[in-house]
Amino acid sequence: GNSVTQMEGPVTLSEEAFLTINCTYTATGYPSLFWYVQYPGEGLQLLLKATKADDKGSNKGFEATYRKETTSFHLEKGSVQVSDSAVYFCALGKGAQKLVFGQGTRLTINP
Amino acid sequence: DVKVTQSSRYLVKRTGEKVFLECVQDMDHENMFWYRQDPGLGLRLIYFSYDVKMKEKGDIPEGYSVSREKKERFSLILESASTNQTSMYLCASTPGAGPGTQYFGPGTRLTVL
Repeated sequence: GNSVTQMEGPVTLSEEAFLTINCTYTATGYPSLFWYVQYPGEGLQLLLKATKADDKGSNKGFEATYRKETTSFHLEKGSVQVSDSAVYFCALGKGAQKLVFGQGTRLTINP
Repeated sequence: DVKVTQSSRYLVKRTGEKVFLECVQDMDHENMFWYRQDPGLGLRLIYFSYDVKMKEKGDIPEGYSVSREKKERFSLILESASTNQTSMYLCASTPGAGPGTQYFGPGTRLTVL
C-alpha cells in the first residue's frame, strides 16, 4: 500500500541555518506529494505541493522537488527563522481524495 | 478564506461516555475527513465522506462512527469512550475530485479519564 516515511525528529537548528527534512514514499503510479505545517496550537495547513515528477513546489522560502527516481520529496530552506518552528508533515495523495501522512518532524529553531 | 471549525478545542470525558465531535466547513466542500493525531504516528484517517449521508471507513474506524446529514457538517461519534481514544482529533475538508489540498480545523484535544 501507499506509505510515507519522514526523517525522525526532533530537529533543532540555529537561526539562519540550512534545513533539510527528508521524505520518501512508496506508491504505485504517480501520486501527488504535499508538505503540511502545523504551528503550535493550530491545525495543519498546506505549505507546498507537487503533482508530477520533477515538479518543484515552493512557498515561504521552502522548496521540495518531486523525485520519482528516488521516490523522494525532501523539504529544504536556505535560512530558517524562529517563526519556522513547527511540526512538518509529508503526505501523498492518489485518487479518492485521501492523503497518507508521514509521522511528522518537529522542528525547533533557536535564536 | 476557507474556514473549518471544530466544536471544542479541549474536551475531557469519562470512560464509557458517548462523545460527539462536530466539524463545520463554510466553503461547500464535497469531501470531509476525520483524523486522529498521536505523537510518532502522524495523522491516521478514521472516516471520510464524499457526500451527504455517505461515509467510508478509513484506516482506524474501530470504536468510532460518523454522521453527515448536511453538506457542511461532519460529526465524529465515540460510542463508548475509552482511555486509548485520548488524542488530538482533526477535521479536514476538500473540494471536488482528485487528491487536492485539504483544509484543516484547529483540532480537538480529547482526554478520556
